[in-house]
Formats: sequence, structure tokens, C-alpha cells
Amino acid sequence: EAQVTQNPRYLITVTGKKLTVTCSQNMNHEYMSWYRQDPGLGLRQIYYSMNVEVTDKGDVPEGYKVSRKEKRNFPLILESPSPNQTSLYFCASSPLALANTGELFFGEGSRLTVL
Amino acid sequence: AQTVTQSQPEMSVQEAETVTLSCTYDTSESDYYLFWYKQPPSRQMILVIRQEAYKQQNATENRFSVNFQKAAKSFSLKISDSQLGDAAMYFCAYRSVRYGNKLVFGAGTILRVKS
Repeated sequence: EAQVTQNPRYLITVTGKKLTVTCSQNMNHEYMSWYRQDPGLGLRQIYYSMNVEVTDKGDVPEGYKVSRKEKRNFPLILESPSPNQTSLYFCASSPLALANTGELFFGEGSRLTVL
Repeated sequence: AQTVTQSQPEMSVQEAETVTLSCTYDTSESDYYLFWYKQPPSRQMILVIRQEAYKQQNATENRFSVNFQKAAKSFSLKISDSQLGDAAMYFCAYRSVRYGNKLVFGAGTILRVKS
């Protein structure tokens, strides 16, 4: 089954304790991205990657890191989480070819709470 | 930068009736995609309908249809014969064909369906 898998789905942590949210897709997509969803703000892009070893900042990158060492994986790293990073996080992927549909395929979301 | 505006934070509809959700966007590009995503309480992001900007014909998917007005930069979603399962948060989103590095989302509209 074609899917984007995120882990963990739920996490409660404390300020300053490093954490990683993993993301993996099995569709051989070049493009992967992380979004955060906050009430009244919709989804905002944190980081994206157009291919292996190619990453770039989105609209709200502060406090986050990413890496793309393999095509299928795109982990999101919070080196020193703070309460303002409490949010719902989505990983998404898509093909890059111009003939694609433009649709993003989303993971099921990760609810992160930083105390 | 592109922006997407959903001016209705919340809407209600009676079961079996029709409701229209509004979306406007701002862009200087001529080639792009527009989407409506549904987010039920499970938090999963589900693609409802997609429109390519070069197509004049409005997209339809069963009970879901759009009114795409390119000159007015408007992209509304009409849900006919509303069902209880349509209750969800709905997001309007924009993606550039040329750059394709992100989806730009509106803030969302909560749709409540009354039985």
C-alpha cells in the first residue's frame, strides 16, 4: 500500500529534550516536506526537500532541522524543543515531474506537546 | 508570495442540503493547482478535489464540485446532499506548477452537519 508513515503519532516531552519525528514514504517520491498545523493558521511549511541531500527552509523553520540521506526518509529534528513548538505535524510527499497531479500525499500526523 | 484566504471559520448545513465553502487566493502566476482537502476528527488529510488553473471546466467528484473563477482568484467548494460524514475541517490550498516547492494553505473552515 502506498503511504507516508510518521512516528511517533503522539508525544509529550519537556523543554530542551531533543526529539526526532521520523517520516518514511514508499512511493519513490522526490519531494518531501514537513508542515505544522495550528488553530487559525492552517498548515505552514517548515522544511522541504526536492531530492536526496537537497533541503531548504519553508516558512517557519526556526527551531527545526531536517536531513535527507535517503530518498524514502525525511526526519524532523527538534534539537531543543520549546512550548511554542507544541503542534500537529504532518509529513508529505509527491513526485516532482511536471506531469504529476500536484497532489501532496500526507502522513497521519504527529501530535507533539512540549511542557 | 502566494496567499490563500478562507473567510468562513465555521459553517453549518442540514443533512441532505447543499453548502458552499469559500476560498480566495492571491498569485501572480498563471499556471498552478488548487485543492480542497478534508480533515476529519481522525486528523488525516484527505484530498477532496483538484483543479488545474489552465482548465476552464470546473472539477467535480461525485457530490463535490468547485466554482473556479480564475480572473477573480476564487475557488469555492460546493457539497451537495450533505452527509454526516462530511463534517470535518476543510482546507483550500494552492501549489505553483513552476516552483512546486510547497502547498500554501488557508486557515480552514469547520463544517458541521446537522441531522
